Amino acid sequence: SQQGEEDPQALSIQEGENATMNCSYKTSINNLQWYRQNSGRGLVHLILIRSNEREKHSGRLRVTLDTSKKSSSLLITASRAADTASYFCATRETSGSRLTFGEGTQLTVNP
Amino acid sequence: ETGVTQTPRHLVMGMTNKKSLKCEQHLGHNAMYWYKQSAKKPLELMFVYNFKEQTENNSVPSRFSPECPNSSHLFLHLHTLQPEDSALYLCASSAQGGQGDGYTFGSGTRLTVV
Repeated sequence: SQQGEEDPQALSIQEGENATMNCSYKTSINNLQWYRQNSGRGLVHLILIRSNEREKHSGRLRVTLDTSKKSSSLLITASRAADTASYFCATRETSGSRLTFGEGTQLTVNP
Repeated sequence: ETGVTQTPRHLVMGMTNKKSLKCEQHLGHNAMYWYKQSAKKPLELMFVYNFKEQTENNSVPSRFSPECPNSSHLFLHLHTLQPEDSALYLCASSAQGGQGDGYTFGSGTRLTVV
């Protein structure tokens, strides 16, 4: 079964609005990471949050982690058309070194 | 450019062909990975190499054969592929065997098997 599952699968918003994507996972983790992928390209690492952290910021990105609920959220504030992409969460389990990806959220920001 | 370079960007091959995908990184990373990304499916980890040694083979069919001659280069040799092998193949690298660090991905090779 899939370790990371993103919600929603697709999100369409207007430029300037905030976008929130959620990720749930099943096992104990060492860290959780968010990646972005433009169509047909490779993934770009956005932010990493460790299991002992609850919130992290990077520019317009804000990530939260709730290990009791096994969930994380990625907030993109003041979205731009250039933010249009797929966003993936990935978890590194405490029991291994493998990074497991979810199915992603397709974000569309309309100008 | 991310620091991980994949060639070719696009590849069309027949089921009887033999071809190779190449990945190169000069980030000083010690771990390299092959992932397969098919439409509507999560990324599938195929192979993991740490310090040139294969540490994980995720039940990948033998028609995919990886090679890691040094810590900077990774190849994926392809032969007698099937149409369902058509996908985006992504290479990634990370430091310290991936412990606690993010991955750096290449732009991928879009493979079409005809």
